[in-house]
Amino acid sequence: EAQVTQNPRYLITVTGKKLTVTCSQNMNHEYMSWYRQDPGLGLRQIYYSMNVEVTDKGDVPEGYKVSRKEKRNFPLILESPSPNQTSLYFCASSLQGGEKLFFGSGTQLSVL
Amino acid sequence: QKEVEQNSGPLSVPEGAIASLNCTYSDRGSQSFFWYRQYSGKSPELIMFIYSNGDKEDGRFTAQLNKASQYVSLLIRDSQPSDSATYLCAPQGGKLIFGQGTELSVKP
Repeated sequence: EAQVTQNPRYLITVTGKKLTVTCSQNMNHEYMSWYRQDPGLGLRQIYYSMNVEVTDKGDVPEGYKVSRKEKRNFPLILESPSPNQTSLYFCASSLQGGEKLFFGSGTQLSVL
Repeated sequence: QKEVEQNSGPLSVPEGAIASLNCTYSDRGSQSFFWYRQYSGKSPELIMFIYSNGDKEDGRFTAQLNKASQYVSLLIRDSQPSDSATYLCAPQGGKLIFGQGTELSVKP
């Protein structure tokens, strides 16, 4: 089944403890992206990647890191999480940039 | 000015009515648009894609694009409670930026 898989689905952590949210797609998509969603603010893009080894900042990249060493994986890294990073995170992919996006199920992150 | 703007709502309509959702955009180069629907706590799903001026119909949904006025809208006819969700528009291209979404509530 074609899908974007995000893990974990829920995560509670404490300030400053490094964490990684994984994202994997099995559709051979070139484009992958991370969004965060907060009430009243919609989906805001954190980072995106047009292809392997090519990543770029979105609108809210501060406090996040990403890497794209393989086409299928695009992990989101929070090296020192803070409470203002408490949010619902979505990974998405598309065949190419600007095309229809396929979304993962989301990760609800709480930073205490 | 934000690239894509939507009224966040909530927009409340009675069951059976027409719901009208609007999106304005600032980039005159935008040629085509996606409409996504997102149920509470779920991931967005694509429901419409429009790439030319005028209307595109798919069942109870009609997307309208007016490039001269730089707006795109989504009409939902015969609204059902199951249409209650947040609707997001996004211009096609590049890194895909979404509007903040309009929350629609359809009351039985």
